[in-house]
Amino acid sequence: GAVVSQHPSWVICKSGTSVKIECRSLDFQATTMFWYRQFPKQSLMLMATSNEGSKATYEQGVEKDKFLINHASLTLSTLTVTSAHPEDSSFYICSATADLSTDTQYFGPGTRLTVL
Amino acid sequence: AQSVTQPDIHITVSEGASLELRCNYSYGATPYLFWYVQSPGQGLQLLLKYFSGDTLVQGIKGFEAEFKRSQSSFNLRKPSVHWSDAAEYFCAVGKTSYDKVIFGPGTSLSVIP
Repeated sequence: GAVVSQHPSWVICKSGTSVKIECRSLDFQATTMFWYRQFPKQSLMLMATSNEGSKATYEQGVEKDKFLINHASLTLSTLTVTSAHPEDSSFYICSATADLSTDTQYFGPGTRLTVL
Repeated sequence: AQSVTQPDIHITVSEGASLELRCNYSYGATPYLFWYVQSPGQGLQLLLKYFSGDTLVQGIKGFEAEFKRSQSSFNLRKPSVHWSDAAEYFCAVGKTSYDKVIFGPGTSLSVIP
């Protein structure tokens, strides 16, 4: 099956710094990528949808200036958490879809962010 | 409003016993329904999905799910649980199979040897 990778798998940073998380589709071109956030012992909440070459669409309540999403190519989307604070500590998961023909989406393994 | 509920936060079963995880949904149109499993340190893995056709869907790892429109339910079952099935299970709904999905709160499964 198709593979989606995320880098880094975990990151620890100081409060106030910015952190970039990469999501890559390794063996297919992803026209759409989704970013989810998962707090401990909780479900995944959709943050935003990104389409290659266009601005991301954010879900209600998600600060677009804080969570910058860039889908610069058909195989890479990045999520940058700007001026991170401890409350941003979470598990961030991306997923990717190719096109209508593949009929499914594939999830990455997630990135654990800890802000001190 | 679109939502997914999983009434059981945590379930413990003995190895070899049968399993049923409950899922109810609220969705305006006929949705795609999914079950995903998340093991510690692992990404989400799709167990099965349903949109139309036979209401009993077979998935991977011996899992199956039954769609009941009248009850807005999509319960996951396995006849005999293995210790390796211990994980977090999420029910989800979506407009299509490749669009964003709405996840339920999850059910944590523990398996007693």
